[in-house]
Amino acid sequence: NAGVTQTPKFQVLKTGQSMTLQCAQDMNHEYMSWYRQDPGMGLRLIHYSVGAGITDQGEVPNGYNVSRSTTEDFPLRLLSAAPSQTSVYFCASRTGSDGYTFGSGTRLTVV
Amino acid sequence: LAKTTQPISMDSYEGQEVNITCSHNNIATNDYITWYQQFPSQGPRFIIQGYKTKVTNEVASLFIPADRKSSTLSLPRVSLSDTAVYYCLRTLPTDKLIFGTGTRLQVFP
Repeated sequence: NAGVTQTPKFQVLKTGQSMTLQCAQDMNHEYMSWYRQDPGMGLRLIHYSVGAGITDQGEVPNGYNVSRSTTEDFPLRLLSAAPSQTSVYFCASRTGSDGYTFGSGTRLTVV
Repeated sequence: LAKTTQPISMDSYEGQEVNITCSHNNIATNDYITWYQQFPSQGPRFIIQGYKTKVTNEVASLFIPADRKSSTLSLPRVSLSDTAVYYCLRTLPTDKLIFGTGTRLQVFP
């Protein structure tokens, strides 16, 4: 099992550009989430999903869209990048009552 | 969504036992308490989870008193590699994880 795979690991965007952060898990986990972590801060929940076709907003959803067409994939779309979205983005998944498994993160800089 | 309360930072020395206390006065009946560990430039890692009394695994112990308004993560005989940020979370019935600011543990030689 590869666990939770995030791509890309690093990305630089210009203000106004759009992009998709990819997240894939091969553990057949029902639950998946996206977080952002700003320097020196804790993680903040952007969006989450409890299964294919079901998504909901977290604490800081503005400027981000998600979809969950398959169990394995949970992409995060930045619609129009802003400098305030410069952050490290983590994807995570879990099943049942187990703890979440986190990916290694995507470091995004918006200039 | 209520977050938990824990100390911002703690210092310890190698070989000592470290206890990190977390306050969750408004915990709901169905909530579990879960702890995660995060090293710099890495995603958090699940450590331990419990509902009440005591839970122990190969890494840590978790103590939750009967009123469940607080919990204590115990790390026995810490080493330098235990230097990290530790997060205490209420695991909500809807399965969202809401993180607080965590406790920065610094272990000295």
